[in-house]
Amino acid sequence: ETGVTQSPTHLIKTRGQQVTLRCSSQSGHNTVSWYQQALGQGPQFIFQYYREEENGRGNFPPRFSGLQFPNYSSELNVNALELDDSALYLCASSLTGSIKLFFGSGTQLSVL
Amino acid sequence: ELKVEQNPLFLSMQEGKNYTIYCNYSTTSDRLYWYRQDPGKSLESLFVLLSNGAVKQEGRLMASLDTKARLSTLHITAAVHDLSATYFCAVDPTQGGSEKLVFGKGTKLTVNP
Repeated sequence: ETGVTQSPTHLIKTRGQQVTLRCSSQSGHNTVSWYQQALGQGPQFIFQYYREEENGRGNFPPRFSGLQFPNYSSELNVNALELDDSALYLCASSLTGSIKLFFGSGTQLSVL
Repeated sequence: ELKVEQNPLFLSMQEGKNYTIYCNYSTTSDRLYWYRQDPGKSLESLFVLLSNGAVKQEGRLMASLDTKARLSTLHITAAVHDLSATYFCAVDPTQGGSEKLVFGKGTKLTVNP
């Protein structure tokens, strides 16, 4: 158990729809990072939030957006879903300066 | 742009045998992570390596880091079936750490009886 929870665990959407994925970080962790893991691939960094501000983004378009809240929860929003957005989405929480990341169990998103 | 390459990508081995997974990365880094992932599951942290020459061991797994060669290895000793999983190395590209990891493609390990 990492103390990081994600919801929902599975989600099915159709192309063009919008989706919100949620992550609850460990208490006190001021940094949350989101990763996309396509089938058979390693996770790819989407973006990171630190103290409720975006703190770096990977090679993902603006239709991927996020929020971080004061209660250590965060959201990943994806607009105009495409088939290639089908993947496992992982959030990882950490305390800035710490070497440890704590990954949640992930949300499996299927876009039909 | 930091690139992380693992090899082999697929590894089938017999119980009791030893093998090594290699992780090469293209730019300087002072943090390297190894994770295990079971099918449909999240990432389980195995090791964090922080300095040149660092070696860490846990059970049948031992990881090492050579920052000059930009190479980390994950050595498996006397493999057992329970070690079957996909193993990822990941590199933090920022000096001092940023938690914005770049992952390799993973090595899918199958241990056969």
